[in-house]
Amino acid sequence: QKEVEQNSGPLSVPEGAIASLNCTYSDRGSQSFFWYRQYSGKSPELIMSIYSNGDKEDGRFTAQLNKASQYVSLLIRDSQPSDSATYLCALGGQAGTALIFGKGTTLSVSS
Amino acid sequence: KAGVTQTPRYLIKTRGQQVTLSCSPISGHRSVSWYQQTPGQGLQFLFEYFSETQRNKGNFPGRFSGRQFSNSRSEMNVSTLELGDSALYLCASSLPGQPNTEAFFGQGTRLTVV
Repeated sequence: QKEVEQNSGPLSVPEGAIASLNCTYSDRGSQSFFWYRQYSGKSPELIMSIYSNGDKEDGRFTAQLNKASQYVSLLIRDSQPSDSATYLCALGGQAGTALIFGKGTTLSVSS
Repeated sequence: KAGVTQTPRYLIKTRGQQVTLSCSPISGHRSVSWYQQTPGQGLQFLFEYFSETQRNKGNFPGRFSGRQFSNSRSEMNVSTLELGDSALYLCASSLPGQPNTEAFFGQGTRLTVV
């Protein structure tokens, strides 16, 4: 059974701080890793994808992947109140297989 | 570029009825997946279609079915609705590839069964 674990939170950070979101997974065969942001009442929005070990940066977002330790993380620099949302970690395997989602971490950024 | 379009956005049905939901993928995307989202279970995979063929299916009863048309549009059907089927149903489209390419979600269909 493939599992994705995320701390449900809420994770509370002040505006301008770095928010660190973590995700661990059980399937060593996972090949692709994604972070989605979901605002209340809305659908998930893809914000980062990462396929290789190391860091990938896109604006204020950095995804980090460590396949040996089976974790993937998302750092949000200079957090803004508009970043307050639920962040979903998702894993993919071979083409045609399902994305497996964690339950999500709720982030709250206070101004 | 237009995103993934799901219709209808909201539905209210009574137990025992059936419902059909529609999904139009991003132009050029040939893979369509369906997910059910509930507060308790989170996002759960229903099935995935590529080139009109179901490639993978999640752990849902046979009341849940789907299909894909030659233009990549997809529909899912739920028969004999139960109260527990109340959920947000999400469709995602992607360019098929190895490994999984990025999937983009539509706005979802909020189904309420009463």
